[in-house]
Amino acid sequence: EPEVTQTPSHQVTQMGQEVILRCVPISNHLYFYWYRQILGQKVEFLVSFYNNEISEKSEIFDDQFSVERPDGSNFTLKIRSTKLEDSAMYFCASRDSHSSYNEQFFGPGTRLTVL
Amino acid sequence: AQKITQTQPGMFVQEKEAVTLDCTYDTSDPSYGLFWYKQPSSGEMIFLIYQGSYDQQNATEGRYSLNFQKARKSANLVISASQLGDSAMYFCAMREIYNTDKLIFGTGTRLQVFP
Repeated sequence: EPEVTQTPSHQVTQMGQEVILRCVPISNHLYFYWYRQILGQKVEFLVSFYNNEISEKSEIFDDQFSVERPDGSNFTLKIRSTKLEDSAMYFCASRDSHSSYNEQFFGPGTRLTVL
Repeated sequence: AQKITQTQPGMFVQEKEAVTLDCTYDTSDPSYGLFWYKQPSSGEMIFLIYQGSYDQQNATEGRYSLNFQKARKSANLVISASQLGDSAMYFCAMREIYNTDKLIFGTGTRLQVFP
């Protein structure tokens, strides 16, 4: 069964460093998303991406964040100059376009720890 | 503004019994989708079940069913014949079909199944 994959599973970085979180969405999906979940809290939407551009972003997704689809398979989230409060689980998700109602399939997440 | 409320931070159920996890929502969009996701201790988000606002029948997927009461704006998840492996966090989420592509999540309910 096709699935969303994410690498790395755990990333530890120093405050102020840049990190890139990688995702490989399901191959025939066209809509891509990043969410984050601070430990013990609910899942929050960051950004959605379609047709090689951002379609929607939340207030959390400020200039520190960027997304890219560098090739036909990868979807990345870059966090510049990480802060302590960026420590969270980051989930990538994707869905296909056959129906507006289709569920978003989530990857296993990358746990980001900023020291 | 769209909102999801899960009022049960934790629930206990005995193995083989049924359990209902509550979810209420608020939206002004007549077209929306409601989702339930399971998050085991390993952290991944697993899609369980979906209900569309125009669906006439309550959704069912194996041991999962959704008690959809549109007038009351509730979408409770019913798990029948609970198993030890059902112990996890459960998140209710909503997507407004025309206004946005993002999922809005509730705060979750931690379900513990005991023998």
